[in-house]
Amino acid sequence: TQLLEQSPQFLSIQEGENLTVYCNSSSVFSSLQWYRQEPGEGPVLLVTVVTGGEVKKLKRLTFQFGDARKDSSLHITAAQPGDTGLYLCAGYRGGKLIFGQGTELSVKP
Amino acid sequence: NAGVTQTPKFQVLKTGQSMTLQCAQDMNHEYMSWYRQDPGMGLRLIHYSVGAGITDQGEVPNGYNVSRSTTEDFPLRLLSAAPSQTSVYFCASRFGLAGSDTQYFGPGTRLTVL
Repeated sequence: TQLLEQSPQFLSIQEGENLTVYCNSSSVFSSLQWYRQEPGEGPVLLVTVVTGGEVKKLKRLTFQFGDARKDSSLHITAAQPGDTGLYLCAGYRGGKLIFGQGTELSVKP
Repeated sequence: NAGVTQTPKFQVLKTGQSMTLQCAQDMNHEYMSWYRQDPGMGLRLIHYSVGAGITDQGEVPNGYNVSRSTTEDFPLRLLSAAPSQTSVYFCASRFGLAGSDTQYFGPGTRLTVL
């Protein structure tokens, strides 16, 4: 069983649509991170959320950390083809960075 | 800075062969780790190191060995390759153990075991 569960696993949308990706756990995390990975490359950090209830914005991407620090969400407004990629949430557990299974996003023009 | 580098980019092995995946970083990071990525399973931690001379197991260590003789290098050895080890392997490094530290990843090695 995954410590961090992401949903949905696959998402195919049209350019201009909005979407939300969820990252859930039954455990409390001191912080959660979101990474984006493009084909043939390693993941790259987008954001770290550290305070329960925290909201961070990165252009059209909005990240939220749940009040109880057990979950996080990524919302993309007006998705563009350049947003296509694998989105991964991750959290530290005993000093080790553990990942969810990822959400594969495809944005069609 | 080159960041995290990995070699080779692609590798094909036969069952039972051994090989070493190379990883190096030039950011003077103490913490380095190896992950494997399989479809629908995210990244799973194989082994990690908190400094030169110190290594420990992650979630899926069986069939892999590591050593850390220098801060810069963290090679991953496959002792006797099996088809189940067909995967994409990523090396990563970060400065410390704080929960907000950024982890930097290499470009990956795509390994196929026949």
